[in-house]
Amino acid sequence: QKEVEQDPGPLSVPEGAIVSLNCTYSNSAFQYFMWYRQYSRKGPELLMYTYSSGNKEDGRFTAQVDKSSKYISLFIRDSQPSDSATYLCAMSATKTSYDKVIFGPGTSLSVIP
Amino acid sequence: EPEVTQTPSHQVTQMGQEVILRCVPISNHLYFYWYRQILGQKVEFLVSFYNNEISEKSEIFDDQFSVERPDGSNFTLKIRSTKLEDSAMYFCASSVMGGRTDTQYFGPGTRLTVL
Repeated sequence: QKEVEQDPGPLSVPEGAIVSLNCTYSNSAFQYFMWYRQYSRKGPELLMYTYSSGNKEDGRFTAQVDKSSKYISLFIRDSQPSDSATYLCAMSATKTSYDKVIFGPGTSLSVIP
Repeated sequence: EPEVTQTPSHQVTQMGQEVILRCVPISNHLYFYWYRQILGQKVEFLVSFYNNEISEKSEIFDDQFSVERPDGSNFTLKIRSTKLEDSAMYFCASSVMGGRTDTQYFGPGTRLTVL
């Protein structure tokens, strides 16, 4: 089983739709969960981070972590064409920042005007 | 807003040549990283660096690779004898311990093409 799995898409939605992006993972030691957005040929840009289980909201973005199910989600409300990008889930085993981050393969999202 | 910068944006080299990829991390950050992303594949961890030492390295980071912080601002990745399979985007990242967000901020990447 891969350490972090993510549906690669592509996912295509109309503007204004609610988008749900998901990742599953196998390593129960992961405690620190992140979502990055990556535009074509650019570096990953941090969107959201959460520690352990629970929800976190930031504007149109909501991150959810369910450690019991080893499942994390990112919801995007009122999606915009500018949200079109690849979304990478990422996680690490400790809260300290020196630990390496393990990335999922990314989900490609297109928001159609 | 401070950001991680990387140079060059694109490097083309012949197989067997040495390349040095350069990064300037965010100034108050203490931890530095290199990742790579082969075209169409996921971002992969290479190495982490703190207090002038490698903290952790992956299986990818073999003897062909080395990192250095030659001065107070730059962080470099050297590949001694490049191979075709080294062609990838190389991302530098940095983070600060004890900050509100203990997370890694990425640079825009250097695209390395080995011919």
